[in-house]
Amino acid sequence: DVKVTQSSRYLVKRTGEKVFLECVQDMDHENMFWYRQDPGLGLRLIYFSYDVKMKEKGDIPEGYSVSREKKERFSLILESASTNQTSMYLCASSKQGRSNQPQHFGDGTRLSIL
Amino acid sequence: AQRVTQPEKLLSVFKGAPVELKCNYSYSGSPELFWYVQYSRQRLQLLLRHISRESIKGFTADLNKGETSFHLKKPFAQEEDSAMYYCALSPMNRDDKIIFGKGTRLHILP
Repeated sequence: DVKVTQSSRYLVKRTGEKVFLECVQDMDHENMFWYRQDPGLGLRLIYFSYDVKMKEKGDIPEGYSVSREKKERFSLILESASTNQTSMYLCASSKQGRSNQPQHFGDGTRLSIL
Repeated sequence: AQRVTQPEKLLSVFKGAPVELKCNYSYSGSPELFWYVQYSRQRLQLLLRHISRESIKGFTADLNKGETSFHLKKPFAQEEDSAMYYCALSPMNRDDKIIFGKGTRLHILP
């Protein structure tokens, strides 16, 4: 069974801090994704990666960056946290080969920026 | 423009009644469609995909290319079906991103 692990379930940070959210998957998936989930807005794609050291902007990349140094790990970085980045963050991974492979999600990190 | 629309934010259905969660999409090619579900305090997970043509937990969904719809149906709702449901479109072109709808919260009334 695919396991996508996000390092923290809950995180509280202060405005202006640099925040790191970590995600690790154990199924050798090539593709990894970061979303934020907000009530009424659904899932919005922040960044994704199809390979090591590769990254692509999603729909809402502003204020975020990512790092993919190893295949199994995909990190989301909030360069200078702001209160409007308070949200639930979901990491996902999927197998490559064809674009339409289902995604496997982590439990999410509920991030609060004070 | 590529888009997935779930017109209902909240759907309340009595236990034992039929359920239909609507999903309409806009895409120029031939996408693959998925339904994902998130139960309370659980991770988001795949419920079913249209190419599988299978029934999962009593749910089915048929891709209607003419109406560009992929509605999720179940003949008799159960209380454990209460959850958040997301319809998603995965393009055949790998350069295009997967698109999620905004979700429908299904509430099964006793």
